[in-house]
Amino acid sequence: GNSVTQMEGPVTLSEEAFLTINCTYTATGYPSLFWYVQYPGEGLQLLLKATKADDKGSNKGFEATYRKETTSFHLEKGSVQVSDSAVYFCAVQGGAGSYQLTFGKGTKLSVIP
Amino acid sequence: DAGVIQSPRHEVTEMGQEVTLRCKPISGHDYLFWYRQTMMRGLELLIYFNNNVPIDDSGMPEDRFSAKMPNASFSTLKIQPSEPRDSAVYFCASLEGAPLISGANVLTFGAGSRLTVL
Repeated sequence: GNSVTQMEGPVTLSEEAFLTINCTYTATGYPSLFWYVQYPGEGLQLLLKATKADDKGSNKGFEATYRKETTSFHLEKGSVQVSDSAVYFCAVQGGAGSYQLTFGKGTKLSVIP
Repeated sequence: DAGVIQSPRHEVTEMGQEVTLRCKPISGHDYLFWYRQTMMRGLELLIYFNNNVPIDDSGMPEDRFSAKMPNASFSTLKIQPSEPRDSAVYFCASLEGAPLISGANVLTFGAGSRLTVL
């Protein structure tokens, strides 16, 4: 089955620092890739997605590029804010005509002023 | 749209009691998923339905867990009897299925039901 390996946290950064959260996946076929974000006490919200190789997903200053050759989908943001403090999940979907998501373990980000 | 609605948001119960979690998916979505989130195991898929029919329940941990979807707007996850190791946050998510050639099909999650079994 599909699997996702995500860098362990927690990650603590100062405001305006550069963020990278690494994510690699294994899947058959042509999966879609996602980043979800979870704020304290809330459900998961879609942050960005990519459906094919070399696609770049972006939202709220976050970006991730679907790299099929390295099976990676690293999340980046050039300048983090305190409000970005949350848990970030990388996920892979499908690759065999299926819709369920397989998630990484999550990376907790704390941004300090 | 109100999104995916789950109830209760919090449940505290004693070991051995029956627990029922409820979910209302987004109208028009034909797939429904139940996930469990724990610190140790992260997010695990328990079961999912398509057009109210269970498709894959291989993630259901044991016979104490059961899920139903009697109609397109309602699903339940039941634990009977509950045990302390069932303490977790349970998420419901729904999706509108479409041919994958049209792009990614996005799961929308509810706010979750936090279960504590004493």
